[in-house]
Amino acid sequence: TQLLEQSPQFLSIQEGENLTVYCNSSSVFSSLQWYRQEPGEGPVLLVTVVTGGEVKKLKRLTFQFGDARKDSSLHITAAQPGDTGLYLCAGSNQGGKLIFGQGTELSVKP
Amino acid sequence: DAGITQSPRHKVTETGTPVTLRCHQTENHRYMYWYRQDPGHGLRLIHYSYGVKDTDKGEVSDGYSVSRSKTEDFLLTLESATSSQTSVYFCAISEGGWGTEAFFGQGTRLTVV
Repeated sequence: TQLLEQSPQFLSIQEGENLTVYCNSSSVFSSLQWYRQEPGEGPVLLVTVVTGGEVKKLKRLTFQFGDARKDSSLHITAAQPGDTGLYLCAGSNQGGKLIFGQGTELSVKP
Repeated sequence: DAGITQSPRHKVTETGTPVTLRCHQTENHRYMYWYRQDPGHGLRLIHYSYGVKDTDKGEVSDGYSVSRSKTEDFLLTLESATSSQTSVYFCAISEGGWGTEAFFGQGTRLTVV
């Protein structure tokens, strides 16, 4: 059974701080994605990484895919209250099965 | 916004009754997924489909069945609802499966009393 473990589960920080969220598995994935979900809504894709060692930047967000394609991290620089939400990593393989981690609840206080 | 609609959006049902949730898409995407979301568990995959009449189990498939007789519709049935199935259910669609963006519906809040 493929599992994705996210840490931490909860994170409460002050505006302007940096943070990193981790997504780990014992399984190899063809791709890893990061989604963000706001209350009452479905998740929305932030980024997809497919190559081991790949790093992608989206403004203040930096995403990295591990060399062995088993783990990923999301780093936010100078967090803002608008970054508050549930962050989910998701892994998939060529069969199309898409599984999610348990999520990281981020709260950024002004 | 991706054309994906879940119905109903809210439902209260009694223990032991069958319940069917519907996911309808207008994008002609090949892959469709059903997830449940509970606090502390993220999204857990119930079943998914990779084409008409082609479905497979996810992590938490016990007590659930699915059917996909048309590309646009993916039905989730709780054969005999239990209180442990109280949850928010999300449907998602994806064009190419792995590595492609999944688009989610608005969710169905199901309460089993």
